[in-house]
Amino acid sequence: DIQMTQSPSSLSASVGDRVTITCQASQDITNYLHWYQQKPGKAPKLLIYDASNLETGVPSRFSGSGSGTDFTFIINSLQPEDFATYYCQQYDELPLTFGQGTRLEIK
Amino acid sequence: QVQMVQSGADVKKPGASVKVSCKASGYTFTGYYLHWVRQAPGQGLEWMGWINPNSGATNYAQKFQGWVTMTRDMSISTAYMELSRLTSDDTAVYYCAREGLGFFFDFWGQGTLVTVSS
Repeated sequence: DIQMTQSPSSLSASVGDRVTITCQASQDITNYLHWYQQKPGKAPKLLIYDASNLETGVPSRFSGSGSGTDFTFIINSLQPEDFATYYCQQYDELPLTFGQGTRLEIK
Repeated sequence: QVQMVQSGADVKKPGASVKVSCKASGYTFTGYYLHWVRQAPGQGLEWMGWINPNSGATNYAQKFQGWVTMTRDMSISTAYMELSRLTSDDTAVYYCAREGLGFFFDFWGQGTLVTVSS
């Protein structure tokens, strides 16, 4: 199975900050990577697909980049509603696998 | 609008089976694969498998082969996930999710909490 390692596991930030989360795959997955946001008690929500494409309706302060094994997810100018847990997910091969999540907390 | 509505929370004893339903609406049920993903309390997301609602074909993660069964009823646009021989490790929220173009999950059910306890 492809292992997805997210970093950091948690971080504290303030409204207005720029936040960067990384996701590393255990093998080359080209750009077959998506990013999700999950708030407590809710289902995950798709933010970025195919590493860098913004899902319809998602604010442009969210962005993604990368290919191969290393991927980056950025939130520019954090808003109060952005405090949540973020997951990457690969789909290069089955089984589909997720990163362990990055919990973003208010400083 | 697309909606995925799952069955309610359930409590099961160890060794029992559970069947979770996921009713889809707002789109052509047979046009999109449906996946099941679970999340143990305080843990991350774990993919369980998918079903093709059109053909009924399934693909399960190796971990779940032999004890998960995914089915569908096209007449009521509903998918089901049945997990057998439950243990406390199966206590989790189970989600159904629609696969958009490219193995991403664009719509999710609200989740069903399954608690396994004696």
